[in-house]
Amino acid sequence: EPEVTQTPSHQVTQMGQEVILRCVPISNHLYFYWYRQILGQKVEFLVSFYNNEISEKSEIFDDQFSVERPDGSNFTLKIRSTKLEDSAMYFCASSEAPTGRGNQPQHFGDGTRLSIL
Amino acid sequence: GEDVEQSLFLSVREGDSSVINCTYTDSSSTYLYWYKQEPGAGLQLLTYIFSNMDMKQDQRLTVLLNKKDKHLSLRIADTQTGDSAIYFCAERNQGGKLIFGQGTELSVKP
Repeated sequence: EPEVTQTPSHQVTQMGQEVILRCVPISNHLYFYWYRQILGQKVEFLVSFYNNEISEKSEIFDDQFSVERPDGSNFTLKIRSTKLEDSAMYFCASSEAPTGRGNQPQHFGDGTRLSIL
Repeated sequence: GEDVEQSLFLSVREGDSSVINCTYTDSSSTYLYWYKQEPGAGLQLLTYIFSNMDMKQDQRLTVLLNKKDKHLSLRIADTQTGDSAIYFCAERNQGGKLIFGQGTELSVKP
């Protein structure tokens, strides 16, 4: 069964450094998402992306965050200047069709654990 | 606002049924989902229900939806030790994003 893959599985970065988390969504999917889960807290929506632009973003997704689909297969999340509170598990997800056209569930990767020192 | 709540822990004996409960607040939710997370792994889609349905059965899994009370449950029949995991309830809002509960940790004792 096709999978969403994320790399790296664990990223350790010094505070203030830039970090890029990578995702390869399922190949025929058109909608892409990033979520994060701070240890002991809920999984939180960060951003959705369709047709090469952001569809929706949460208030967490401030100017330090950006997303990109650089080459038609990868989908990346960049955090420009990391803070301690960015430490979390980051999940990428993708779905087959735009929202509202029937149920196209989101399929998740295994996540990248980001640790900021 | 949008919120989803679950109890944090559930412990059952192998072979018993497990019932994991969830409440949500957004009455405009279109679909409701159950995801399973095993240690060190991602979120695996288990099942989902459309908001105009009351019940959905899928092998050992039964989802019940009470739309009036905004209450969703997942029943796992004949629970096995391999079912031990964290189970997340999520609602999908009109914009498509998922709003998750905090997860219920299911512990299955032999």
